[in-house]
Amino acid sequence: KQEVTQIPAALSVPEGENLVLNCSFTDSAIYNLQWFRQDPGKGLTSLLLIQSSQREQTSGRLNASLDKSSGRSTLYIAASQPGDSATYLCAVSYSGGGADGLTFGKGTHLIIQP
Amino acid sequence: GAVVSQHPSRVICKSGTSVKIECRSLDFQATTMFWYRQFPKQSLMLMATSNEGSKATYEQGVEKDKFLINHASLTLSTLTVTSAHPEDSSFYICSASGRQGVQPQHFGDGTRLSIL
Repeated sequence: KQEVTQIPAALSVPEGENLVLNCSFTDSAIYNLQWFRQDPGKGLTSLLLIQSSQREQTSGRLNASLDKSSGRSTLYIAASQPGDSATYLCAVSYSGGGADGLTFGKGTHLIIQP
Repeated sequence: GAVVSQHPSRVICKSGTSVKIECRSLDFQATTMFWYRQFPKQSLMLMATSNEGSKATYEQGVEKDKFLINHASLTLSTLTVTSAHPEDSSFYICSASGRQGVQPQHFGDGTRLSIL
């Protein structure tokens, strides 16, 4: 059974700091990995998707890296802002073509203090 | 971008009631839709995979007779929680994938189900 683990479970930092969220997965035969943001009581917003052949993806202040062989990914958030407060979820896909569901971690609950 | 609409966003009902949740792809054809459930402080767990025109595939431990899924068209899948009980209270969320395997999967906004 594939498992996705996210560390830390919760994180609170002052505004302006750079931070790193970690994700690990037990089965390295992934097709791709995604990072999502979930606001309280809301659905998911896709932040970054990394294909298994890629090492990293960047979008604005966000950078996600992937080390498939070691089963790890990190999400780097630069110059954090209070609006970044949310739960960040890591999810892996083990098939292409969108045929299978995603396996999610429990998320990192992030609070950025003004 | 691709949009998935989920309705209703919140349901509160009495134990024993059946509740239907709709998931629609608004601007693309979704050959595959997925239903997830999220309990408080837990990760999203895949419940079932719904393919248009065929029976849904349920994950281990998910009762297919309790969670009825219908994917009658390329833009609509429904999840019906039959005879709901308090332990079924959860956050249910759908996602959709297109004919060419659209990645990333596009998620609805979820349905908060509360059974009294």
